Amino acid sequence: DAKTTQPTSMDCAEGRAANLPCNHSTISGNEYVYWYRQIHSQGPQYIIHGLKNNETNEMASLIITEDRKSSTLILPHATLRDTAVYYCISLTSGTYKYIFGTGTRLKVLA
Amino acid sequence: GAVVSQHPSWVICKSGTSVKIECRSLDFQATTMFWYRQFPKQSLMLMATSNEGSKATYEQGVEKDKFLINHASLTLSTLTVTSAHPEDSSFYICSARPTDTQYFGPGTRLTVL
Repeated sequence: DAKTTQPTSMDCAEGRAANLPCNHSTISGNEYVYWYRQIHSQGPQYIIHGLKNNETNEMASLIITEDRKSSTLILPHATLRDTAVYYCISLTSGTYKYIFGTGTRLKVLA
Repeated sequence: GAVVSQHPSWVICKSGTSVKIECRSLDFQATTMFWYRQFPKQSLMLMATSNEGSKATYEQGVEKDKFLINHASLTLSTLTVTSAHPEDSSFYICSARPTDTQYFGPGTRLTVL
């Protein structure tokens, strides 16, 4: 499984877009990129995932670079409830095992 | 998304006793479930993969005789922490996958006195 690296922490003003980067430079062609977030003392919550194309759902957008070595999770209008640790995980199709990195602690400021 | 539950949400036990944690997939069947452990201010660490009808697969360094896993049905996996000690105090989280995407339970906080 490819390793992922993320900044340790980020701040974002409420109402502004939060852009969370993830580096997965060793990713291979069939490895998906998944994003989860964990609010304090809860289980991780699925946000979005993608392989090559950019993806959007009701929670966020995922932008994957053309070489697939990095991606960015975008929360378009961050709220205080988006304060959490965000994890970027790469997963080889068929292995199913998640290896969590340290994640990015996002703090949304009022 | 798919719903995964855990029971209990928290438990306190005395050193030397055993504790059982249940993980259920509520609206889908799961042949595979996963168990994680998370210490304060740390990331999740995969402990084992639970397989319905067969033995669990443990990650390197996880004692299989201490952390017993049973996956008796397509909606239930249990983790039993045997002879618990204070160093086993942690947040235990399970996940299950209806597709390639894993969905996580709310977690169980274990405190061993």
